[in-house]
Amino acid sequence: RKEVEQDPGPFNVPEGATVAFNCTYSNSASQSFFWYRQDCRKEPKLLMSVYSSGNEDGRFTAQLNRASQYISLLIRDSKLSDSATYLCVVNGNTDKLIFGTGTRLQVFP
Amino acid sequence: EPEVTQTPSHQVTQMGQEVILRCVPISNHLYFYWYRQILGQKVEFLVSFYNNEISEKSEIFDDQFSVERPDGSNFTLKIRSTKLEDSAMYFCASKFTTNVGEQYFGPGTRLTVT
Repeated sequence: RKEVEQDPGPFNVPEGATVAFNCTYSNSASQSFFWYRQDCRKEPKLLMSVYSSGNEDGRFTAQLNRASQYISLLIRDSKLSDSATYLCVVNGNTDKLIFGTGTRLQVFP
Repeated sequence: EPEVTQTPSHQVTQMGQEVILRCVPISNHLYFYWYRQILGQKVEFLVSFYNNEISEKSEIFDDQFSVERPDGSNFTLKIRSTKLEDSAMYFCASKFTTNVGEQYFGPGTRLTVT
């Protein structure tokens, strides 16, 4: 089983749509969870940390289910500028980050 | 807003040559990392560094790789004898605290080995 698994997509959605991405991780000892965003040939940029209670930042909502080892990201009212690859990232017993392969989102007008 | 910087943005080298990739982490950060991303693949951890020593390294980080913090600001990754398969984007990252704490990435150095 891959350490962090994501649907690679692409997800093609119209502006204004709501889209959800899911991710599963294999190490039950993982402590910290993040969503990063990566534009083509650029560095990963932190979008948000994911907490057990769930958290929201504007149009973005992240959820964590430790029992199922499952993380989600919901984007509401999609904008053209949301087009990017969304990386599910986990760290385990140490502080190295373990990346998923990413889910590609394309928002069209 | 403080950011991680990396130089050069693109490095082309011949197989067997040594390269040094440079990073300036965010100034009050204490933990430093190198990751790499081969084109079309996921980001992979190489090494973490704290208090002037390596904390952890991956299987990729073999004897050909080394890291150094030669002064109070720079953090370098050296590849002694580059191979074709070292061609990748190399990202430096830094973090302020241990355990929970977000890592911030630099813009990367694209290394092309010919």
